[in-house]
Amino acid sequence: KAGVTQTPRYLIKTRGQQVTLSCSPISGHRSVSWYQQTPGQGLQFLFEYFSETQRNKGNFPGRFSGRQFSNSRSEMNVSTLELGDSALYLCASSYGGMNTEAFFGQGTRLTVV
Amino acid sequence: SQQGEEDPQALSIQEGENATMNCSYKTSINNLQWYRQNSGRGLVHLILIRSNEREKHSGRLRVTLDTSKKSSSLLITASRAADTASYFCATDDPGGGADGLTFGKGTHLIIQP
Repeated sequence: KAGVTQTPRYLIKTRGQQVTLSCSPISGHRSVSWYQQTPGQGLQFLFEYFSETQRNKGNFPGRFSGRQFSNSRSEMNVSTLELGDSALYLCASSYGGMNTEAFFGQGTRLTVV
Repeated sequence: SQQGEEDPQALSIQEGENATMNCSYKTSINNLQWYRQNSGRGLVHLILIRSNEREKHSGRLRVTLDTSKKSSSLLITASRAADTASYFCATDDPGGGADGLTFGKGTHLIIQP
């Protein structure tokens, strides 16, 4: 069974630009969650999608958005990038959501310069 | 929001020794999960323990949960160099997942050969 796939693995963007990250969950998993990991703040929850609907959202500004497609693949978008958005962005898929085991991808390392 | 806090922040032991990490959290949970992360890569799911369980084993891993003390421990027996990684506990939100999984800052484990 293929794991969670995130693309791209690395990105370098300039302040003010926007970026789209992609996540393909494990086959059969309907829940996709996104997390931001930084040395200072650790792992922080961005949002969760379940069957194409945003079910939960963390405490991030509106510049952070996402969506989920009918095949459960998910994308997250960050607009008007700031230096502080530099982080490892992790996607997790699970069958039923927060109460079940979550499987993470390798992450996308975003550097904003 | 509740947060798991791992203790110690860093642990260095000799190969073959046992490693114990602790996690404390603040409010009630449905389950608690432990993850491993190698050097800024994705998180690997280790064990999920439900609030009505007290102990769980998986290979060289043993997890205990004490809901009265709101704490959990992860024991790795007969440690190996490959166990060098950061270990995180994560708790869910019984209120419905609005906060996603809440992670602690992690314990950085170093196994010396």
